[in-house]
Amino acid sequence: DAGITQSPRHKVTETGTPVTLRCHQTENHRYMYWYRQDPGHGLRLIHYSYGVKDTDKGEVSDGYSVSRSKTEDFLLTLESATSSQTSVYFCAISVRTENSPLHFGNGTRLTVT
Amino acid sequence: TQLLEQSPQFLSIQEGENLTVYCNSSSVFSSLQWYRQEPGEGPVLLVTVVTGGEVKKLKRLTFQFGDARKDSSLHITAAQTGDTGLYLCAGAVSNYQLIWGAGTKLIIKP
Repeated sequence: DAGITQSPRHKVTETGTPVTLRCHQTENHRYMYWYRQDPGHGLRLIHYSYGVKDTDKGEVSDGYSVSRSKTEDFLLTLESATSSQTSVYFCAISVRTENSPLHFGNGTRLTVT
Repeated sequence: TQLLEQSPQFLSIQEGENLTVYCNSSSVFSSLQWYRQEPGEGPVLLVTVVTGGEVKKLKRLTFQFGDARKDSSLHITAAQTGDTGLYLCAGAVSNYQLIWGAGTKLIIKP
């Protein structure tokens, strides 16, 4: 298995509170991604990174920010959590872009009450 | 908006039966990936198809990429209970992104 660790694995938080999810990799892969997975929607890209301090928005980036200060760590922050952000969040890594497979972490289940 | 329609969304069959899952789009992809996901885990890559018309086999699973690289299918022969899971297809486009299907939840009953 690719060395990807997501933390926490589960979190319950209240509406309006900030939340940070962490993704840590030991593979030294350049590309890292944050996805959310909701029933009927498949996986939707939130943000991605193509290097330290190099990040860009995905298709559902509103309400989320990311940071990558080290190759191995990619943080996802919900500045003020809303109930619509209740989801399962997956971090993924890859060697390069097109045609390269993604290796996923085991996800963080976030519930916003 | 690029879409990748996956069907069926849900399939429950008896062990030993055959099945096919489809992914269709109006977009052309440089490649198409198939993943399987089990509860509580992230998706795991099964195969990548790159060339139009390409067929790849993984034991009892056969993957095909359409000639125009807009569609793909996954055929499972003699399904086993271990094939149970969520199957996802993802088409590769430019700008670092994959376009994902919504998934097929497959249940194989003993």
